[in-house]
Amino acid sequence: AAGVIQSPRHLIKEKRETATLKCYPIPRHDTVYWYQQGPGQDPQFLISFYEKMQSDKGSIPDRFSAQQFSDYHSELNMSSLELGDSALYFCASSFYREQGANIQYFGAGTRLSVL
Amino acid sequence: AQTVTQSQPEMSVQEAETVTLSCTYDTSESDYYLFWYKQPPSRQMILVIRQEAYKQQNATENRFSVNFQKAAKSFSLKISDSQLGDAAMYFCAYSISTGNQFYFGTGTSLTVIP
Repeated sequence: AAGVIQSPRHLIKEKRETATLKCYPIPRHDTVYWYQQGPGQDPQFLISFYEKMQSDKGSIPDRFSAQQFSDYHSELNMSSLELGDSALYFCASSFYREQGANIQYFGAGTRLSVL
Repeated sequence: AQTVTQSQPEMSVQEAETVTLSCTYDTSESDYYLFWYKQPPSRQMILVIRQEAYKQQNATENRFSVNFQKAAKSFSLKISDSQLGDAAMYFCAYSISTGNQFYFGTGTSLTVIP
């Protein structure tokens, strides 16, 4: 079965550079979520989109922005990168009309290292 | 605000034995969802089991079962017949509804001893 695809898997950037993370949800899924997991920490919610509209917002820095496109894939744009942005970034997807399930399926993550 | 607490940073179990991981949560909502996710060394987040708060029956998935105590706001995971492949970090998570964020606990690292 198709899963959530994230690219790239690994990314190395310098401080103050920009990075773009991509997420391709499971086919038919219309909701995308972004999480940040620092070393030894639990995943922290950043932002989510349903049908290309922002549906929920968490602790996303102003330096970060995200959007969902017409094909439901999503991109997380990160600017003025800081050392503290080094983390594993997860994308998850779900099917909104699958009421009663509310299951988020996670991608393998993008490991971002800021040097 | 919703919070999820896992009070056991590390647990260990002998292979083939049973282990229970604890999770408590705080919410003022009456309808919500609870989950256990497993994160092996590969760091992939894998769904283990889920529970709808409106259902009194505890969820079961093969060797995995939960003890859901709504009044006590407790949601523990029982792993029976533990296998080496069960070794991982286990996260308890809470969500209000589809489209809304998951709130994760801090995780329990499970070691399975051969």
